[in-house]
Amino acid sequence: QVQLVESGGGLVKPGGSLRLSCAASGFTFSDYYMSWIRQAPGKGLEWVSYISGTGSNTNYADAVKGRFTVSRDNARNSLYLQMNSLRADDMAVYYCAKNYGSTRPDYWGQGTLVTVSS
Amino acid sequence: QSALTQPASVSGSPGQSITISCTGTSSDVGGYDFVSWYQQHPGKAPKLIIYDVNSRPSGVSNRFSGSKSGYTASLTISGLQAEDEADYYCSSYTSSSTRVFGGGTKVTVL
Repeated sequence: QVQLVESGGGLVKPGGSLRLSCAASGFTFSDYYMSWIRQAPGKGLEWVSYISGTGSNTNYADAVKGRFTVSRDNARNSLYLQMNSLRADDMAVYYCAKNYGSTRPDYWGQGTLVTVSS
Repeated sequence: QSALTQPASVSGSPGQSITISCTGTSSDVGGYDFVSWYQQHPGKAPKLIIYDVNSRPSGVSNRFSGSKSGYTASLTISGLQAEDEADYYCSSYTSSSTRVFGGGTKVTVL
């Protein structure tokens, strides 16, 4: 069965950086687009980014464009999100998700919490 | 890309039917039949319950159904049960080849 396990969250100061990871299993990782979606405390879901199976196609929400970079290592069945210049409004639970097609998340991990505070 | 518009809360008694609306624009809901719905219980990850406006993934109860008219998509829960108490989010493909979510609707079973 599909399993997605995020890691790398934690406390970071404003302006700092953090790299999230997502370990995937139960499906042929390289065949699927993957997404990052976040949820601020007590708030709704916000799409952040996606990446194609080969890694050649990526897209980002305007709120993170230029600061976040999505990547993947198909040999390791892993998805990554490099987050730079973090701000207070980036504080959220970050979910990785396996997509159907390019954008639709159909399986989600349990999330990892990113806290941005001085 | 602005979030899709959902009511903040909807409630119903056990056995009743409720409907949650999700309103967008011609660039998302109105332009594509790629609306999906997710159920999220407190502290849990979202779960896909409807995709492509009105299709259900395997294993999802047929008490959940979806529809769309113009710029508004809807999720109907029939025969409301206590376990349906959760947050529900709509989502749509957009003209920018991205994904946009609604603000979420809290469903309360009275």
